[in-house]
Amino acid sequence: EPEVTQTPSHQVTQMGQEVILRCVPISNHLYFYWYRQILGQKVEFLVSFYNNEISEKSEIFDDQFSVERPDGSNFTLKIRSTKLEDSAMYFCASSVRELTEAFFGQGTRLTVV
Amino acid sequence: AQRVTQPEKLLSVFKGAPVELKCNYSYSGSPELFWYVQYSRQRLQLLLRHISRESIKGFTADLNKGETSFHLKKPFAQEEDSAMYYCALSGFGNEKLTFGTGTRLTIIP
Repeated sequence: EPEVTQTPSHQVTQMGQEVILRCVPISNHLYFYWYRQILGQKVEFLVSFYNNEISEKSEIFDDQFSVERPDGSNFTLKIRSTKLEDSAMYFCASSVRELTEAFFGQGTRLTVV
Repeated sequence: AQRVTQPEKLLSVFKGAPVELKCNYSYSGSPELFWYVQYSRQRLQLLLRHISRESIKGFTADLNKGETSFHLKKPFAQEEDSAMYYCALSGFGNEKLTFGTGTRLTIIP
């Protein structure tokens, strides 16, 4: 069964450093998403991406965040200058089209020290 | 604004007893409601959605627009039902999912 794959599973970075979280969505899916979950809190929407552009973003997704689909298979989330409060589990998801089931990756646990 | 409320953080139920996980929502448009489940060390996966009206692993959920609720129910709990359950909402023209805080269900043998 096809799965959404995320790498790395765990990333530790120093405050102020740039990180790139990588995702390979399911191949025939057209909608891509990033969510995050700070420890003990709810899963929060960050951004959705369709047709090579951002279709929606949350207030959390400020100028330090960016997304890219560089090569038609990968979908990346870049955090330009990490802060301690960026420590969270980041989930990538994809769906065939809107309002259909979103398939989630295993997540990347980002720890900013 | 859209919001999902799951009032119970933790719920423990004896094996064989009925289970009900509560979910209430707030949304001005026509909502699409989902239940996602996360078993230990596994990824978030869709359990069921209101539009499909299916019963998955014995679970059902009915959308009650009057009470703005989408409670998850199962008549007889099984040990393998122990997991984290998240209620989520999206809407037409708005593909993002808004999640509740989740309920950790523990089935007592």
